[in-house]
Amino acid sequence: QPALTQPASVSGSPGQSVTISCTGTSNDVGSDDLVSWYQQHPGKAPKLIIYKVNNRPSGISSRFSGSKSGNTASLSISGLQAEDEADYHCCSYTTVNTLVFGGGTKLTVL
Amino acid sequence: EVKLVESGGDLVQPGGSLRLSCAASGFSFSTYRMHWVRQAPGKGLEWVSGITNDGYFTTSVASVKGRFTVYRDNAKDTLYLQMNSLRDDDTAVYYCAKGLVNSWAWFDPWGQGTLVIVSS
Repeated sequence: QPALTQPASVSGSPGQSVTISCTGTSNDVGSDDLVSWYQQHPGKAPKLIIYKVNNRPSGISSRFSGSKSGNTASLSISGLQAEDEADYHCCSYTTVNTLVFGGGTKLTVL
Repeated sequence: EVKLVESGGDLVQPGGSLRLSCAASGFSFSTYRMHWVRQAPGKGLEWVSGITNDGYFTTSVASVKGRFTVYRDNAKDTLYLQMNSLRDDDTAVYYCAKGLVNSWAWFDPWGQGTLVIVSS
């Protein structure tokens, strides 16, 4: 069982916004701001899209944003586009010097 | 351009061993922590192991401790994962990923992955 809990799937129409949650504990998500998010298209390697809860690497669209409240982190995608259809994975550093992922969320653009 | 190229994936019997390699280029390899992350077929990602830039400290997920060893050769810009006592549930695509200089926090970028199948 993945350490972090994500919804298995979310969907939205083009132009709409969606939010994906990632729930952990006080030993991981709730312990600091070291939460990251990855986008993975079928058959491809994951790609970093958010780091340190709400920071975007260079080249990542501003349509992607992150937040955190307590033990739950969230990824929001605004102005949905067909190319956003992918799997999204959250990750957190833990208090015992390890990293844990969520089970991944499949985003379908209707 | 940062590039990570994994190799060494194969079909191996339960109880067997395998060594994965990850050749790095486009950055100062000896400066950065590195990681292995795996993905079982149809499943989510699982962090496996991380190693400091100098190779002196490693950390791993509990399920591989005592079986997998991560190490690096900074002279060859290469990361390794020695996998022993392989089990069916180790079947996965194994990715290497570049970490940070002074933190374990995230991975960027990732290699294309190498497939390990453990089956009799």
